[in-house]
Amino acid sequence: QSVLTQPPSASGTPGQRVTISCSGSSSNIGSNFVYWYQQLPGTAPKLLIYRNDQRPSGVPDRFSGSKSGTSASLAISGLRSEDEADYYCAAWDDSLGGPVLFGGGTKLTVL
Amino acid sequence: QVQVQQWGAGLLKASETLSLTCTIYGGSFSGYFWTWIRQPPGKGLEWIGEITHSGGTIYNPSLKSRVTISVDTPNKHFSLKVNSVTAADTAVYYCARGFSSGWYNYWGQGTLVTVSS
Repeated sequence: QSVLTQPPSASGTPGQRVTISCSGSSSNIGSNFVYWYQQLPGTAPKLLIYRNDQRPSGVPDRFSGSKSGTSASLAISGLRSEDEADYYCAAWDDSLGGPVLFGGGTKLTVL
Repeated sequence: QVQVQQWGAGLLKASETLSLTCTIYGGSFSGYFWTWIRQPPGKGLEWIGEITHSGGTIYNPSLKSRVTISVDTPNKHFSLKVNSVTAADTAVYYCARGFSSGWYNYWGQGTLVTVSS
């Protein structure tokens, strides 16, 4: 069981806006940056969001991140079929001088 | 184009040592965080450990007693060793380059390591 809690699944229809949550604690999300990764089937994870709400170049502005207290969220607007993937949040945990924690992942299905 | 490439043995027997190596083409090696992450079949991501841009190593406490991460900067090699493997170590192992802990922008293709009993 992951210390960062994500819903195991989410779904939406093309064009919709979906949100994926990531809940942690004061020792991880509450005091450190949150990162989001997208993993398409059979491929390595790809960085989507860094430092809570920043998008790397090349990531569409349909993807946005936010953080409040000990929780974070990834929002995807204008949902597209190619967004169907697993999504993971990540954050450093201060409690033992590490490690980086990943959420359990959310499988997004585009209906 | 920046490409991270990794290699190593994919089939091990229980109690053997897992050994993987990673390098980068078309990009810088020094001055970045280099990290190992694994993913058991059908499961989520688990952070193994990393070398920071200043050369320090950080390990996941749950694996620390069996893991060694090292770097050969002149040859741009980044390596992972896991001792005394068991079936629970069966996973796809990824190396990644990043700017800080958690912030990984270039990933290797992944290596499936299967441990048989």
